[in-house]
Amino acid sequence: NAGVMQNPRHLVRRRGQEARLRCSPMKGHSHVYWYRQLPEEGLKFMVYLQKENIIDESGMPKERFSAEFPKEGPSILRIQQVVRGDSAAYFCASSPALAGVNTGELFFGEGSRLTVL
Amino acid sequence: GQQLNQNPQSMFIQEGEDVSMNCTSSSIFNTWLWYKQDPGEGPVLLIALYKAGELTSNGRLTAQFGITRKDSFLNISASIPSDVGIYFCAGLWDSGSRLTFGEGTQLTVNP
Repeated sequence: NAGVMQNPRHLVRRRGQEARLRCSPMKGHSHVYWYRQLPEEGLKFMVYLQKENIIDESGMPKERFSAEFPKEGPSILRIQQVVRGDSAAYFCASSPALAGVNTGELFFGEGSRLTVL
Repeated sequence: GQQLNQNPQSMFIQEGEDVSMNCTSSSIFNTWLWYKQDPGEGPVLLIALYKAGELTSNGRLTAQFGITRKDSFLNISASIPSDVGIYFCAGLWDSGSRLTFGEGTQLTVNP
């Protein structure tokens, strides 16, 4: 019974390259969230998605960042033309959304740690 | 936007001591949750609170949903070394909104 699976766990990119982070939610979960965590800081909301639908992307930077959760396959967080300030841990979480209601009870993956050189 | 303030930012205690931490907000939340993050891991849900004034326990952990709906408290009794980690509070306004996290309380337990 796998939990939320994120890959890669660690990713190193040079400035200007693209980073793709993947997240497979827990079985039966239809809601996916992405959070960013800088060292010594809390979790900052980025985006909330359901299958084929972005519910809330108010935490996403306006440029270079995008997210999707296709009908088939994992959710993808894509960062184009990375800069050093993008270095952080990116956490994905999923929730069962009982009866379509977001209860706030999230199941987190182990995170993807992006380092931009 | 909504912000959650956690206090204290860090705590250093001896094994066996009790711990108290709190979370406050200028906005009302209708759900309060407490998560714990171990080093190198993702946060794990400890306790969820859905009603103002609610007091809920999970083993040695007890959390309360403040009556004003603008704060919450987490207590840990008889701390042990594995309690070390970062404790995050989180608030949810309604089922259609996003979960907002506090900045965390770093707990260190000395054996």
